[in-house]
Amino acid sequence: QKEVEQNSGPLSVPEGAIASLNCTYSDRGSQSFFWYRQYSGKSPELIMSIYSNGDKEDGRFTAQLNKASQYVSLLIRDSQPSDSATYLCAVSAGNNDMRFGAGTRLTVKP
Amino acid sequence: KAGVTQTPRYLIKTRGQQVTLSCSPISGHRSVSWYQQTPGQGLQFLFEYFSETQRNKGNFPGRFSGRQFSNSRSEMNVSTLELGDSALYLCASSFSGELEAFFGQGTRLTVV
Repeated sequence: QKEVEQNSGPLSVPEGAIASLNCTYSDRGSQSFFWYRQYSGKSPELIMSIYSNGDKEDGRFTAQLNKASQYVSLLIRDSQPSDSATYLCAVSAGNNDMRFGAGTRLTVKP
Repeated sequence: KAGVTQTPRYLIKTRGQQVTLSCSPISGHRSVSWYQQTPGQGLQFLFEYFSETQRNKGNFPGRFSGRQFSNSRSEMNVSTLELGDSALYLCASSFSGELEAFFGQGTRLTVV
């Protein structure tokens, strides 16, 4: 079983729609959760971090964490073509290494 | 505020050679982590350094090694290169290792 699992996609949504990206993790001791965006040929860019259960909103992005279900998600409202990228879920169990999912490729169609 | 700087950006090496990659973290960050990214395996954790000490290591052979200097700059070394070592090598710096990490532009290594 992979430590961090994501649906590889591709996920395609029309411009203006809500994109929903999901991630599950296996280590119940995980404490820190992150979403990164990676454009093709570029390095990952941190877009959200979340540490406690519930929702965290930042502009068009909302991260949701449910530790009981070992589930973290990212919602992108009013999706734009510029949001087209691979989204990486990262999880840290506080042991100084961050584990990444394989990423979900999102395409936003104009 | 300067970001994470990795050098060189591109490298071509032949099998059997060794290579050293460099990473300068964001000022004030003491944790540097290294990752290997390939299309098939995604982002794989190599190791993490904090205050010149390796605190954690991923499942890579001993050919992969690293170190961190007193100014928090870090280097990773790969000896006896194999074709399968061709990848994008990324370093990420953070204040403590458990908090937000910021990536450099990466070094793309090609082994021929």
